[in-house]
Amino acid sequence: DAGVTQSPTHLIKTRGQQVTLRCSPKSGHDTVSWYQQALGQGPQFIFQYYEEEERQRGNFPDRFSGHQFPNYSSELNVNALLLGDSALYLCASSLGTRVTDTQYFGPGTRLTVL
Amino acid sequence: AQSVTQLDSQVPVFEEAPVELRCNYSSSVSVYLFWYVQYPNQGLQLLLKYLSGSTLVESINGFEAEFNKSQTSFHLRKPSVHISDTAEYFCAVSGDSGNTPLVFGKGTRLSVIA
Repeated sequence: DAGVTQSPTHLIKTRGQQVTLRCSPKSGHDTVSWYQQALGQGPQFIFQYYEEEERQRGNFPDRFSGHQFPNYSSELNVNALLLGDSALYLCASSLGTRVTDTQYFGPGTRLTVL
Repeated sequence: AQSVTQLDSQVPVFEEAPVELRCNYSSSVSVYLFWYVQYPNQGLQLLLKYLSGSTLVESINGFEAEFNKSQTSFHLRKPSVHISDTAEYFCAVSGDSGNTPLVFGKGTRLSVIA
């Protein structure tokens, strides 16, 4: 059983560009959450998707948007990239939306903005 | 709003010695508490969690943490560490009985020395 997978592994973009990151949840999971982990920091919650809708959102600007597909996979889009968007982006999947539902994390996508 | 403080950014310890990784939280409502571990080039894995009941919770690999409400702490301990325990450890909190997203601390890097 494959765990959570993310693509690409690494990505380099320049300021002002747009980026799309992808996540496939663990088999059987219906909820996907996205986190940003800056260097030397803990993960910071971006948003959560369930039933193809954004259910919760952290303190991130509208430049960050997402989507969940009928097969539960998800995308994270970031527009107008800033240098400060450089980070490891983590996807986590769970069966259910509550924080008590164990989240399984993918290895992340490392985004570098030049 | 909740917050987490991990008091030590790095903890070096010799193999087979005991270790304590400290975590303090701030919240005005009931909390759920978590410890996650991140091995190099891997995603986060749930180590253990406190939701309710016994204040002492254990993981399958010998770690334990004790919820102390009066001191607002959730320190992680292991009586004898192994080289394989070398990793980054993150404490996280969710308030309002789990209705708010996880808030992570900045992490503690545990380095086990042979």
